Amino acid sequence: ETGVTQSPTHLIKTRGQQVTLRCSSQSGHNTVSWYQQALGQGPQFIFQYYREEENGRGNFPPRFSGLQFPNYSSELNVNALELDDSALYLCASSKGRDGYTFGSGTRLTVV
Amino acid sequence: ELKVEQNPLFLSMQEGKNYTIYCNYSTTSDRLYWYRQDPGKSLESLFVLLSNGAVKQEGRLMASLDTKARLSTLHITAAVHDLSATYFCAVDFPFGNEKLTFGTGTRLTIIP
Repeated sequence: ETGVTQSPTHLIKTRGQQVTLRCSSQSGHNTVSWYQQALGQGPQFIFQYYREEENGRGNFPPRFSGLQFPNYSSELNVNALELDDSALYLCASSKGRDGYTFGSGTRLTVV
Repeated sequence: ELKVEQNPLFLSMQEGKNYTIYCNYSTTSDRLYWYRQDPGKSLESLFVLLSNGAVKQEGRLMASLDTKARLSTLHITAAVHDLSATYFCAVDFPFGNEKLTFGTGTRLTIIP
């Protein structure tokens, strides 16, 4: 059974640029959720994808968008990066509510 | 809106002592999760509590859930340095999409 893999592990971008983060879900899991964790805070829900459709969204602006592919992997895209977007981005895969498996995260720094 | 609060936010304790972290949430939910996070790392699942009165134990950690009081506790017995980390509780709604709402986290430091 493979776990959740995220890439890249670290990323530095300039304000105004665009970024794409990737996540492969755990085998057998059909749902992927994305979370943003700012330094010293708890993770905040960005959105969730189920069967390639967005299935819920947190309080994040439209410049945060995503995709889910037929193999249940997912992308998080952020346009027009702002300094406050600097955070650890976590992907979690799940099937139902039995448990969420988190990836190792992508540390994004916006300068 | 679901709110999840943890206390204390910071906890410094000596090795060998016992302590409890509390997690309160504002809206009915039947499922609560505890995670551990080491600095700069991702979230490690510790416990999933599925029903009222659920109690789970793993090593020096024991978690319990009281859905009527909307309260979960994480009890640490005879703390050791390796338990130093930040601990989060998280709750999801029984209806609607499966999103987790996390608590503020408790940063635990075990002093030799």
